[in-house]
Amino acid sequence: TQLLEQSPQFLSIQEGENLTVYCNSSSVFSSLQWYRQEPGEGPVLLVTVVTGGEVKKLKRLTFQFGDARKDSSLHITAAQPGDTGLYLCAGATLRDDKIIFGKGTRLHILP
Amino acid sequence: SQTIHQWPATLVQPVGSPLSLECTVEGTSNPNLYWYRQAAGRGLQLLFYSVGIGQISSEVPQNLSASRPQDRQFILSSKKLLLSDSGFYLCAWSGIYALGHYGYTFGSGTRLTVV
Repeated sequence: TQLLEQSPQFLSIQEGENLTVYCNSSSVFSSLQWYRQEPGEGPVLLVTVVTGGEVKKLKRLTFQFGDARKDSSLHITAAQPGDTGLYLCAGATLRDDKIIFGKGTRLHILP
Repeated sequence: SQTIHQWPATLVQPVGSPLSLECTVEGTSNPNLYWYRQAAGRGLQLLFYSVGIGQISSEVPQNLSASRPQDRQFILSSKKLLLSDSGFYLCAWSGIYALGHYGYTFGSGTRLTVV
């Protein structure tokens, strides 16, 4: 069974600080996605990484896919209250049409 | 552009009553469609997925069922709801992004409370 472990489960920091959240697995994925979900809404896709070692930047968010394509990290620089939400990572394989989700990191940025 | 519609947004149903949640997609053909359930504030559990009309794969044994009567319509149903069916239900479709890799577009979800 493929599993994605996300850490930390909860993170509460002050506005302006930097943070990193992690997504780890013992399985190899062909691609990995990061989503952000706000209360009462569906998750919204932030980024898809597909190449081992790939780094993508989305304004203050930096996403990295591990060289072995088993793990990923999300780094936020100078966090803002608008970054608050549940961050989910999800891994896909080319074998089937399903994506495996982690349980998420709940991030709260204090103003 | 592609959009996904899911309704209703909120539903309160008594135990033993039937359920029908509907999801439709616009702006794409032959999408892969999915129903997920999310426990309070946490991870997503895949319930059903469909790669075409009439093709349904079930991931978790339960008293729920799904149907795909049209290419861009996906319905989640139950004949008799249980208290444990309460949760946040999400419909999604998957698109092919660069190099054939997937990402989901989710609907806005249905908060179901069984009382």
